[in-house]
Order: sequence, then structure tokens, then C-alpha cells
Amino acid sequence: SAVISQKPSRDICQRGTSLTIQCQVDSQVTMMFWYRQQPGQSLTLIATANQGSEATYESGFVIDKFPISRPNLTFSTLTVSNMSPEDSSIYLCSVLGLAATRTVDTQYFGPGTRLTVL
Amino acid sequence: GIQVEQSPPDLILQEGANSTLRCNFSDSVNNLQWFHQNPWGQLINLFYIPSGTKQNGRLSATTVATERYSLLYISSSQTTDSGVYFCAVAGWDSNSGYALNFGKGTSLLVTP
Repeated sequence: SAVISQKPSRDICQRGTSLTIQCQVDSQVTMMFWYRQQPGQSLTLIATANQGSEATYESGFVIDKFPISRPNLTFSTLTVSNMSPEDSSIYLCSVLGLAATRTVDTQYFGPGTRLTVL
Repeated sequence: GIQVEQSPPDLILQEGANSTLRCNFSDSVNNLQWFHQNPWGQLINLFYIPSGTKQNGRLSATTVATERYSLLYISSSQTTDSGVYFCAVAGWDSNSGYALNFGKGTSLLVTP
């Protein structure tokens, strides 16, 4: 199967700081997404990362708090800004379809970034 | 967005037992997937199944799109099947486009 990697895999951060999470895919993809999974909860879509334009955010998520970049078809970053303990979650990068698996409708997820905010 | 309800929320099985997990959704969908999240947090695709029936080893899934539900069958369960099983659906929304919405999951524990 194709590879989606995320950096860092985990981090412990202080309140008020920011963390940038990177997502790298080993093939070009059209649609990339960022999800959040709070402890013991399901996954919630934060935004769709659009290549060359501003991300599309879901209700409850704003660009000032979660700025996203997507400079090309294989890479995206999510920044969690001005963090508070409530931001402690797993953040997951996801793509729709992968050339290596010859699928267009299946969504795949990276390994996630476990963030703890003290 | 499309609402997704999964049942049961928790399930404990003895190794070798069979189980059925259910996913109900509130509107027509053009994408439905089942995922397994292992104890290390990795989400693994099990099935892409917006309609019909598929089988993969001990796992099979059926989606009846007209009645808005999907079932995941696990036969001869093993301890490695433990984890959380998520159903996720997507339809095209004119405002937000494509978005995969997740149910709350079924937490499965298989005991030796």
C-alpha cells in the first residue's frame, strides 16, 4: 500500500505555543484532509487542504487557529496555534485515492500525530 | 452533514466468536468505508462499500443503500481484531463538497 507519513509522530507542548505538523504522500493526490481525534472520541474533519488556494474549513474550525498550507500535490502542513490543553488530540492527515493502490474512492490515513498540551 | 450511527458502542467477545456491527446513515451516500483503528491508533481500511457485499478473509460487509445501513461481519474473531471499528460516509454537499463523516465507532475487545 502507499505511504502517508506525518511528522512529528508525537509531541508535548506548552500552552500558548504553536506546532506545525507535516504530511507527506509518496504519490500525487488531489484531495487531502486534516482530521482531529480527541481522546476516546471519533474523528472530526478540520479542513480540506486545497493545492494552491486557501483550505476549506468545517464548522467550528478557523484559519487563525489551524492554518493549513498545501504547496503541491504530495505535501501539506497543519499548524495548531496558541495551543491550550483542549487541543490535546491525535491529528491525522488523510488522502482520497492513491495511485499505488489504483483507487480513487478510498480514503487513506497517515499514522497520526499525538499532541499533548500542558 | 450526513449523520452516522453505529451499534453497539462496545462489544466483548471470546476468541472464536462471530459478531455483527451495524452502521445507520441519514441520507444517500456515494462513499461508505469501514475502518479498524488498532490499539496503536493507526486507521486501517477494511472496505470501501457504498453498496453491495464484499468479503476479505474473516471479514465481510454488506451495504443496503436504499435502506441506509451497512453491516460488518467478523467471523472466528481473534485477539488481534480488538480495537475500534468506524463506519464513515460521504455525500457531495453543494456548500462543502466532499466530506467523510465518521460514526462514533464500536469498541471491540476479543479475549483469549
